[in-house]
Amino acid sequence: QSALTQPASVSGSPGQSITISCTGTSSDIGAYNYVSWYQQHPGKAPKLLIYDVSKRPSGVSNRFSGSKSGNTASLTISGLQAEDEADYYCSSYTTSSSWVFGGGTKLTVL
Amino acid sequence: QVQLQESGPGLVKPSETLSLTCTVSGGSISSYYWSWIRQPPGKGLEWIAYMYYSATTNYNPSLKSRVTISVDTSKNQFSLQLTSVTAADTAVYYCARYDHRAFDYWGQGTLVTVSS
Repeated sequence: QSALTQPASVSGSPGQSITISCTGTSSDIGAYNYVSWYQQHPGKAPKLLIYDVSKRPSGVSNRFSGSKSGNTASLTISGLQAEDEADYYCSSYTTSSSWVFGGGTKLTVL
Repeated sequence: QVQLQESGPGLVKPSETLSLTCTVSGGSISSYYWSWIRQPPGKGLEWIAYMYYSATTNYNPSLKSRVTISVDTSKNQFSLQLTSVTAADTAVYYCARYDHRAFDYWGQGTLVTVSS
């Protein structure tokens, strides 16, 4: 199974919105609505932000939202804040009953 | 609040077996799926395996021949064994709970270095 494709880096200024894309195939993202997104600060464990494409766990800010079209999922962060600077990973369930992650995107808040 | 804690050797010699344990507190291991995920230094996440307490398991196809995951419900723990390790297996290893089709609780991670 190949990793999902994410941009290596994105950046934005405080208050702005940014979108991170995650491209897979018809065997993973395109097959199920089981896409999740994780935020990871340096030296810390990943934190779940989004599951089932667009659902937020309790306690996650509504500034984070997810969507999917075909084989591509997207994470949008609105009202960018300094503490949003982190690495972001997408993940999808696959037709092989396994999970695959994206390569990660480093978000820089300018 | 569910908490997970990885434990095991931080240094493993090439060709030997990596063994890690994840202790779950704040909840029963018998009610969810549990998983191992790793992250090589400076790189992305890689899913390794998942299991259910009833011993249902599934493995990353690229690691399947070298991985075993098991559970000890009496200790509320689950374990990972990875055989014939090489330097490419050097990584931070995380244990995580799987629920709602996502990994919602994670351990802090433990760095395992493969070196002689």
